[in-house]
Amino acid sequence: AQSVSQHNHHVILSEAASLELGCNYSYGGTVNLFWYVQYPGQHLQLLLKYFSGDPLVKGIKGFEAEFIKSKFSFNLRKPSVQWSDTAEYFCAVSHLSGGYNKLIFGAGTRLAVHP
Amino acid sequence: DGGITQSPKYLFRKEGQNVTLSCEQNLNHDAMYWYRQDPGQGLRLIYYSQIVNDFQKGDIAEGYSVSREKKESFPLTVTSAQKNPTAFYLCASSIRDYTEAFFGQGTRLTVV
Repeated sequence: AQSVSQHNHHVILSEAASLELGCNYSYGGTVNLFWYVQYPGQHLQLLLKYFSGDPLVKGIKGFEAEFIKSKFSFNLRKPSVQWSDTAEYFCAVSHLSGGYNKLIFGAGTRLAVHP
Repeated sequence: DGGITQSPKYLFRKEGQNVTLSCEQNLNHDAMYWYRQDPGQGLRLIYYSQIVNDFQKGDIAEGYSVSREKKESFPLTVTSAQKNPTAFYLCASSIRDYTEAFFGQGTRLTVV
């Protein structure tokens, strides 16, 4: 079945550690790619997005992601995490299905950053 | 302020009753979505609508129904046929030629 896979369900890091969260998708054709973040008690909000062009995209709060088409991947990275990055992170893929744009999410990765 | 409003924030219902969750947006977006969020399963698409009077089933539409009579509104009815309705429900909207989705605060439904 076509899907969006996030490899890590829970990640625990110390402050200043580097972060990489994996995301793979299985849809062919043109896709738009997103990372969303959900801080405790808050709305889901967009971290970054990729539609076309430079496969390395930069988002808010120092996050970046790299689209590797050959690997169907869109991994999220941050060189040095902070305690305030503690949240749940969702990868999402938008693709055409039956003439309609569907937005499909991965299962999420819960990140805990310790001071 | 522009945004998406879901109401109520918390909802309790008895088993066997239908319940309707409200979603209103004033962003002038054409597309609207309903997702269900369960721990460890991420967001799963229930229904989506790209235009008024048209909607499509998502991956877990069984036991749910929607309507899209107005551009601003996309209510979701959780019917008694939904076997496990207790969950957190999120509504979202986006412009038709998709850029990013904006989410509401969510409704936590508990069926007892």
